[in-house]
Amino acid sequence: NAGVTQTPKFQVLKTGQSMTLQCAQDMNHEYMSWYRQDPGMGLRLIHYSVGAGITDQGEVPNGYNVSRSTTEDFPLRLLSAAPSQTSVYFCASSPSGGENNEQFFGPGTRLTVL
Amino acid sequence: DAKTTQPNSMESNEEEPVHLPCNHSTISGTDYIHWYRQLPSQGPEYVIHGLTSNVNNRMASLAIAEDRKSSTLILHRATLRDAAVYYCILREAGYALNFGKGTSLLVTP
Repeated sequence: NAGVTQTPKFQVLKTGQSMTLQCAQDMNHEYMSWYRQDPGMGLRLIHYSVGAGITDQGEVPNGYNVSRSTTEDFPLRLLSAAPSQTSVYFCASSPSGGENNEQFFGPGTRLTVL
Repeated sequence: DAKTTQPNSMESNEEEPVHLPCNHSTISGTDYIHWYRQLPSQGPEYVIHGLTSNVNNRMASLAIAEDRKSSTLILHRATLRDAAVYYCILREAGYALNFGKGTSLLVTP
């Protein structure tokens, strides 16, 4: 099992550009989520999905879109990048959203918006 | 939203036990106590979780107070590889993990 994979590892964007951060898992997990981590801070939830075709907003959803067409993939789209979106982005998955499950995290994507 | 309180930082000597405290006085009866850690430049990693009873696994032990208002993560023999930020999180009957700032653990040789 590769676990949770994220691409790219690093990305530099100019203000106003759009891009998609990719996340995939091969553990057949129903629950997937995206977090961002700003320097010296904990992680904040952007969006999450409890299964294919179902997504919902987290704590900081503005400026981001998600979709979940398959169980394996959960891409995060930046519609019009802003410097405030400079951060490290982590994708996570777990068997379900239940409170008794551990979450598995990807290695992160380091995004800089100029 | 039930919250946790952890010290900002702690220091330990290598090969000694480490006790990382966490207070969660507003915990509800169905909240699980989860611990994750984040090594430098890596994604968070699950450590352990529990509900009411103490728990042990290959990485650590979790001691939960009888009233569940506090818990302690125990690393039995700290190594340099254990230097990380440790997050104590209450997992509610929804879906999100609420990360705070955690405790930064420094391990010295």
